[in-house]
Amino acid sequence: SQKIEQNSEALNIQEGKTATLTCNYTNYSPAYLQWYRQDPGRGPVFLLLIRENEKEKRKERLKVTFDTTLKQSLFHITASQPADSATYLCALAQGDNFNKFYFGSGTKLNVKP
Amino acid sequence: DAGVTQSPTHLIKTRGQQVTLRCSPISGHKSVSWYQQVLGQGPQFIFQYYEKEERGRGNFPDRFSARQFPNYSSELNVNALLLGDSALYLCASSLTGGLGYGYTFGSGTRLTVV
Repeated sequence: SQKIEQNSEALNIQEGKTATLTCNYTNYSPAYLQWYRQDPGRGPVFLLLIRENEKEKRKERLKVTFDTTLKQSLFHITASQPADSATYLCALAQGDNFNKFYFGSGTKLNVKP
Repeated sequence: DAGVTQSPTHLIKTRGQQVTLRCSPISGHKSVSWYQQVLGQGPQFIFQYYEKEERGRGNFPDRFSARQFPNYSSELNVNALLLGDSALYLCASSLTGGLGYGYTFGSGTRLTVV
């Protein structure tokens, strides 16, 4: 079965720097890959979706890349702010209608002022 | 506009008991999905319902069941609770259940089994 791996160690960076988070998967490449943000005690919030035929997607300070050869997605936050501190989850969409999301365990990002 | 509403927010149950969790989707959304999130892990897919029909089921035992009502709200039932069922149960609503329209998650129900 598909395995999704995210770095379980927290990422600590200084305000203003670029944060880069990694999502690796095994087996076949998903048609869609998503990134979510989750704050403590809250549900995940959708950030970006990238399709397998897209190499890169951007939204404001966020950028996602998708390398089907490496079986990896990178998630970048530029000019990071303390308010960006949260856990970031990647999720693959599978199922007949891509209605089943398989999440990684997430990486906690700490942005220090 | 109200988001996805889940109730209760917290719940403590004893092993062997049964529990019912409730979810009200965003107005106009016809699909509801349920996820289980154990502490330190990502959410795991349990069920999806669209127009009152089950559209998908994850790898969970038959102790887990769900249904969707005509107003698109949903209930998740778990029978014969085990300690390992302690988790945050998340509900996500979407317009059609397909990927293209996006999913909105509620804040979840924290279930503790003692």
